[in-house]
Amino acid sequence: AQSVTQPDIHITVSEGASLELRCNYSYGATPYLFWYVQSPGQGLQLLLKYFSGDTLVQGIKGFEAEFKRSQSSFNLRKPSVHWSDAAEYFCAVGASGGSQGNLIFGKGTKLSVKP
Amino acid sequence: GAVVSQHPSWVICKSGTSVKIECRSLDFQATTMFWYRQFPKQSLMLMATSNEGSKATYEQGVEKDKFLINHASLTLSTLTVTSAHPEDSSFYICSAKKDRVADTQYFGPGTRLTVL
Repeated sequence: AQSVTQPDIHITVSEGASLELRCNYSYGATPYLFWYVQSPGQGLQLLLKYFSGDTLVQGIKGFEAEFKRSQSSFNLRKPSVHWSDAAEYFCAVGASGGSQGNLIFGKGTKLSVKP
Repeated sequence: GAVVSQHPSWVICKSGTSVKIECRSLDFQATTMFWYRQFPKQSLMLMATSNEGSKATYEQGVEKDKFLINHASLTLSTLTVTSAHPEDSSFYICSAKKDRVADTQYFGPGTRLTVL
């Protein structure tokens, strides 16, 4: 069965510091991978996605993620965090190959940013 | 862009009443829409998948008679929580896809339901 693990429940970084949020997935075929961000009381905004091709994908707001098949990982990175990045981040995996495309979400990582 | 709206953004109702939540794709036609439920400090749990013109597919453990889903057009899906109870209080989020094959889901801003 598909699953997504985000090992870190809560991360605090200083503004300007680099960030890496971890995501590991379990899926038998080629996964479709997503990172979403959610501000309090809001819906989800897509940061970036990986379907195929270049394993390093660029997203909005200066985020990037790297797909590593050998490690079943899709970690999210940002070189310099801004205070406005404080939010909840969700990694998700979707079924490939013409299915409905249901998404399985990780439990999320809450990011706090220190001034 | 691909904008999805939800209405209302929040609603408070009395126990035993029914509440309808609308999900609209504003600038694209959505063949498939999804309804999620999110408890405080939790992840999103898929409730049901809705294809335009056909019956919704509910996830295991979700009562189809309690959570009525209608996807009558390519831009509108509705979720009706019937005979709501306090345990139905939650954040309900919809999403929409542009086509039936695996693709990006675009999420609405969510609806906060509080049942008194």
